Amino acid sequence: DIVMTQTPLSSPVTLGQPASISCRSSQSLVHSDGNTYLSWLQQRPGQPPRLLIYKNSNRFSGVPDRFSGSGAGTDFTLKISRVEPEDVGVYYCMQATQFPITFGQGTKLQIK
Amino acid sequence: EVQLVESGGGLVQPGGSLRLSCAASGFIFSSYWMHWVRQAPGEGLVWISRINTDGSSTDYAGSVKGRFTISRDNAKNTLYLQMDSLRAEDTAVYYCARRLASGTYDYWGQGTLVTVSS
Repeated sequence: DIVMTQTPLSSPVTLGQPASISCRSSQSLVHSDGNTYLSWLQQRPGQPPRLLIYKNSNRFSGVPDRFSGSGAGTDFTLKISRVEPEDVGVYYCMQATQFPITFGQGTKLQIK
Repeated sequence: EVQLVESGGGLVQPGGSLRLSCAASGFIFSSYWMHWVRQAPGEGLVWISRINTDGSSTDYAGSVKGRFTISRDNAKNTLYLQMDSLRAEDTAVYYCARRLASGTYDYWGQGTLVTVSS
């Protein structure tokens, strides 16, 4: 199975400031079809996960443009350009390039 | 509006069984692969099982293989997870999720809590 490793595990940030979360995979996430099936999910306290980014850099419908995804191969980053109060929660990267689907361990975003 | 609503969770003794349901609405259920993902208390997300559009193909994580059975009824727009021989380590919130061809889950249910304890 592909292992997904996120850093940091906890990230205290100041409102209005940027935040960045890294995700590294144990194998390349480039599929034989040329796509990179790396997604980012947000889980607010007491809520189910919510899709933010799919195929590495595509924002899902309704996701604010302050969220962006980038990276290639085995190294990926989720960036929040200006953290808002509603961004508090746990963020997960997820790969679907190789079966089975695997998730990172999660990064807790907190406000300082 | 796409909705996924899980039900069937609860408290069960070790060795017992439960059947989870996921009622889908707002989309053509029979056109999508469906998955179950679980989350133990305070822990991360773990993929459990998947089923193709007509139910002819299923897969399971090693931790549940031989104990859990995924199925679907496209006429009822419902996904199921039959859980047998439950163990304490199966305690978790169980989510159903719709999988897109783009390799991600775009909609998740609100989850149903399964607690395995004597």
